[in-house]
Amino acid sequence: AQSVTQLDSQVPVFEEAPVELRCNYSSSVSVYLFWYVQYPNQGLQLLLKYLSGSTLVKGINGFEAEFNKSQTSFHLRKPSVHISDTAEYFCALSQGGKLIFGQGTELSVKP
Amino acid sequence: DAGITQSPRHKVTETGTPVTLRCHQTENHRYMYWYRQDPGHGLRLIHYSYGVKDTDKGEVSDGYSVSRSKTEDFLLTLESATSSQTSVYFCAISPAGAEDNEQFFGPGTRLTVL
Repeated sequence: AQSVTQLDSQVPVFEEAPVELRCNYSSSVSVYLFWYVQYPNQGLQLLLKYLSGSTLVKGINGFEAEFNKSQTSFHLRKPSVHISDTAEYFCALSQGGKLIFGQGTELSVKP
Repeated sequence: DAGITQSPRHKVTETGTPVTLRCHQTENHRYMYWYRQDPGHGLRLIHYSYGVKDTDKGEVSDGYSVSRSKTEDFLLTLESATSSQTSVYFCAISPAGAEDNEQFFGPGTRLTVL
């Protein structure tokens, strides 16, 4: 069965520091991977997605993620975070057109 | 933003009462989904629809039913609410159920069952 594991439930960082949110997946077939962001009291919106091709995917708001097939990972990175990046981040994979989500990582950016 | 609304946005109800949540879209997308969000579990799929009157179960469908009589509306019903159904419910839509399709999410409904 396919699954997604986000390795950190909470990540506190200071403003302008780099951040990496880790995501590992389990699948026996080729995967499509997504990162969604949920700002407080809002729905989810897509940050970026990996479908095929280049393993480095760029998304909105300066985020990027790297697909690593050998390590079955899809970690999200940003070189310099802002207070406004405080949110919950979800990694997900697509199975039969349905999304399987990880448990979520709360990113808290402190001044 | 994708045109998705959910109603009500907040609801408090008592154990054993029926509850219906509504998802309405203006995008004419074929696929619609209901998820619940709980701490430590991320989002889990309850039911989804791939067309009018075409629905199927997701990972956590027990205790829930759905209906879709029009393209734009997808209803989620809790026939007899239980405290374990206290959660935040999200509706999502997608133009096609393809593997690479992005899903667009509504603002959520916070349901509390006392």
